[in-house]
Amino acid sequence: DGGITQSPKYLFRKEGQNVTLSCEQNLNHDAMYWYRQDPGQGLRLIYYSQIVNDFQKGDIAEGYSVSREKKESFPLTVTSAQKNPTAFYLCASSIIGMNTGELFFGEGSRLTVL
Amino acid sequence: ILNVEQSPQSLHVQEGDSTNFTCSFPSSNFYALHWYRWETAKSPEALFVMTLNGDEKKKGRISATLNTKEGYSYLYIKGSQPEDSATYLCAFNLNTGGFKTIFGAGTRLFVKA
Repeated sequence: DGGITQSPKYLFRKEGQNVTLSCEQNLNHDAMYWYRQDPGQGLRLIYYSQIVNDFQKGDIAEGYSVSREKKESFPLTVTSAQKNPTAFYLCASSIIGMNTGELFFGEGSRLTVL
Repeated sequence: ILNVEQSPQSLHVQEGDSTNFTCSFPSSNFYALHWYRWETAKSPEALFVMTLNGDEKKKGRISATLNTKEGYSYLYIKGSQPEDSATYLCAFNLNTGGFKTIFGAGTRLFVKA
């Protein structure tokens, strides 16, 4: 089945450590996104990429980094510079040029900083 | 600051009840309005996308309406079932010539059997 796979589902990190969240899609979508969810708030965009080897900052990119070396993969690194990294992270993809802009999501990764 | 407001934040209903939620969004630069359904431990899935003022969409017992002039959309569930229990997200696409989607915080629906 086509879809988006995120791993790990749960991750614990000590303060000062970088962690990388994986996102893989087999939908052949050009665009991929990372969102962050905090309690009581809407999803907020961290980074997005519309083509391999290119990506743009979203609304809350500080303390995060991404890469897009392959069309299928868009890993997110939460660096030690991110002041409040404990959150739920969702990866998504979409077709570029699709008028509706529908997003296809993974099941998410929950990061807890101890 | 562009904001998408969803109400209520959560809702508890009995099986068989009909219910509705509201999504309010900026009425300018409208491009599209999405509703997503997000069950616990699963990924959000698209329910509807609406682009024209007055649009009405229906899928089984769930329907949605759109008013772009006043900036709101309603989601209706007729005869709620326990399997309807989920968070319903509203997302607003801006027409800025580039990518911009703004999400509401969602309405969490609990349907008791």
